[in-house]
Amino acid sequence: KQEVTQIPAALSVPEGENLVLNCSFTDSAIYNLQWFRQDPGKGLTSLLLIQSSQREQTSGRLNASLDKSSGRSTLYIAASQPGDSATYLCAVSRDAGNNRKLIWGLGTSLAVNP
Amino acid sequence: NAGVMQNPRHLVRRRGQEARLRCSPMKGHSHVYWYRQLPEEGLKFMVYLQKENIIDESGMPKERFSAEFPKEGPSILRIQQVVRGDSAAYFCASSLAGGSYEQYFGPGTRLTVT
Repeated sequence: KQEVTQIPAALSVPEGENLVLNCSFTDSAIYNLQWFRQDPGKGLTSLLLIQSSQREQTSGRLNASLDKSSGRSTLYIAASQPGDSATYLCAVSRDAGNNRKLIWGLGTSLAVNP
Repeated sequence: NAGVMQNPRHLVRRRGQEARLRCSPMKGHSHVYWYRQLPEEGLKFMVYLQKENIIDESGMPKERFSAEFPKEGPSILRIQQVVRGDSAAYFCASSLAGGSYEQYFGPGTRLTVT
């Protein structure tokens, strides 16, 4: 059974710092991995999607890496800003048929202080 | 092209009433996933549907919950005789097909049972 773990559960940093969020999964037979952002009481914003054959994806100040064999992904945020404050969620889909249901971590709650 | 639409955005029901949550997928999308986010818990997969077919309902509670995705119209998640423990945010996502296609999320419906 696939389990997704995110560390740390919470993180508070001063503005401008570079930071790394971690995601690990127990079953390496994934199809893809996604990072999402969720603001309090709001919906889900997809940040980056990495296919299992890829090693990393970049979007602006965000860079996500994937090491499928070791069951790990990291989300790197450069030059953090107060507007980055949110919960960051990692989710994986399995590599079996066409069913791409997502298995989710509990998230990392990020606070960037001005 | 409008995104995934969910309505209502907020729904209040008394214990014992029925709740109907609607999800209109993106144009051309024929696959729908439903997820539930209980307070202080992570997102959990509930059900995966294609037009007129339930493909995977392994995450659905055995009683009171049902889902459909008719040939015409939105996907419906129905909860009969709601209880306080059903209070949660319910998100749907749609994709063009299974396989390699990304899931796009709606804004969610927040159900409160009083």
